[in-house]
Amino acid sequence: QVQLQESGPGLVKPSETLSLTCTVSGDSITGYYWTWIRQPPGKGLEWIGYIYYGGSTNYNPSLKSRVTMSVDTSKSQFSLRLSSVTAADTAVYYCARRGGHLYFDYWGQGTLVTVSS
Amino acid sequence: QSVLTQPPSVSAAPGQKVTISCSGSSSNIGNNYVSWYQQLPGTAPKLLIYDNDKRPSGIPDRFSGSKSGTSATLGITGLQTGDEADYYCGTWAGSLSAGVFGGGTKLTVL
Repeated sequence: QVQLQESGPGLVKPSETLSLTCTVSGDSITGYYWTWIRQPPGKGLEWIGYIYYGGSTNYNPSLKSRVTMSVDTSKSQFSLRLSSVTAADTAVYYCARRGGHLYFDYWGQGTLVTVSS
Repeated sequence: QSVLTQPPSVSAAPGQKVTISCSGSSSNIGNNYVSWYQQLPGTAPKLLIYDNDKRPSGIPDRFSGSKSGTSATLGITGLQTGDEADYYCGTWAGSLSAGVFGGGTKLTVL
């Protein structure tokens, strides 16, 4: 059974950079696309982007200027960096595995990141 | 405002059937596969349907998906109180070069 676990600071100051890591267990990270999705409190889901195990990426155009994703296959981890955060970036951040036609079959439990001074 | 349109809420009695619609356009649903997710309170979303109408292993056949043109529908039969959750549709939006979700539908089992 594939398991994903997000980790990172729960509180980030405005204008700083949000950094999260997702650790994959139960299956190889290779051969798949890995995704970040977020959900502001009380709101719906927003796709942030995905990274292939080989390193190629595809970001949501609305966030592209601030997003960087990376992957470390040796650690079975992939990461998200979101720069210049504001209160609007406060959300539960999920990592997930992307299936063939952009569906998400395995999800982490999510981690709440609050942007506040 | 979400690219995909879902009703904010639906309700039905235990044992009954409910459908949840997801409306889009030719640049998203019309030319791409649709997936559906169930989000129980306080938990991560869970994949219910992928590729319009396929169920992952372990998802009961009470859940079904269909797509016609630029709309998709999730059906749930034999409603149980444990089905109370938020349901989201998702697909790829070629015009935006982005994955998109509906705004979510809250299911209440009366």
